Amino acid sequence: ESQVVESGGGLVQPGGSLKLSCAASGLMFSGSVIHWVRQASGKGLEWVGRIRSKGNNYGTTYSPSVQGRFTISRDDSKNTAYLQMHSLKSEDTAVYYCTIPILEADAFGLWGQGTMVIVSS
Amino acid sequence: DIVMTQSPDSLPVSLGERATINCKSSQSVLYSSNNKNYLAWYQQKPGQPPKLLIYWASTREFGVPDRFSGSGSGTDFTLTISSLQAEDVAVYYCQQYYTTPRTFGQGTKVEIK
Repeated sequence: ESQVVESGGGLVQPGGSLKLSCAASGLMFSGSVIHWVRQASGKGLEWVGRIRSKGNNYGTTYSPSVQGRFTISRDDSKNTAYLQMHSLKSEDTAVYYCTIPILEADAFGLWGQGTMVIVSS
Repeated sequence: DIVMTQSPDSLPVSLGERATINCKSSQSVLYSSNNKNYLAWYQQKPGQPPKLLIYWASTREFGVPDRFSGSGSGTDFTLTISSLQAEDVAVYYCQQYYTTPRTFGQGTKVEIK
């Protein structure tokens, strides 16, 4: 069974950094596009960014709200993707989900349980 | 960015009745070269990640009950639950995957009347 598991969340001060991980199993990770989506408590879903596969030169795209502060990377040998977050702000407080599209479309079919990031002094 | 607007924000429905959620995109998500609408619907229950229900605006994901259906094209879309069950209480989101940034509607909370 395919699954993704996020980790690395926690409490960080404003201006600080944090690195999240997304470990995948049961799927062809190297060929998958990996997206990050976040959700503040009681709020809606916000797309953070994505990283493409090696065949697409590991191309990355980010939401304007995190551009320049967040970096997505991947290590296909470990079936793991990462979300490096710098210059964190209180508005970055959210549950961060890793998600992978289904084969038939770029819709998000596989989700992890998420990891909570709290930015507070 | 494509703005996705859902209506209503909250939808009380009696058990066994029909629930209809609307989603409007600020620009068309219909790709003319393949005539496909790059629109998905998700269901999210408290404490859980979202679950994909519908993609290509009207294709049900494997395992999704057939009481869930999607329709629409271009900029106007609808998710219909034909006969609401207790387990359908959740927040529903539409999302476009036509372009980046990917964007979601604000969500519609379906509850029992």
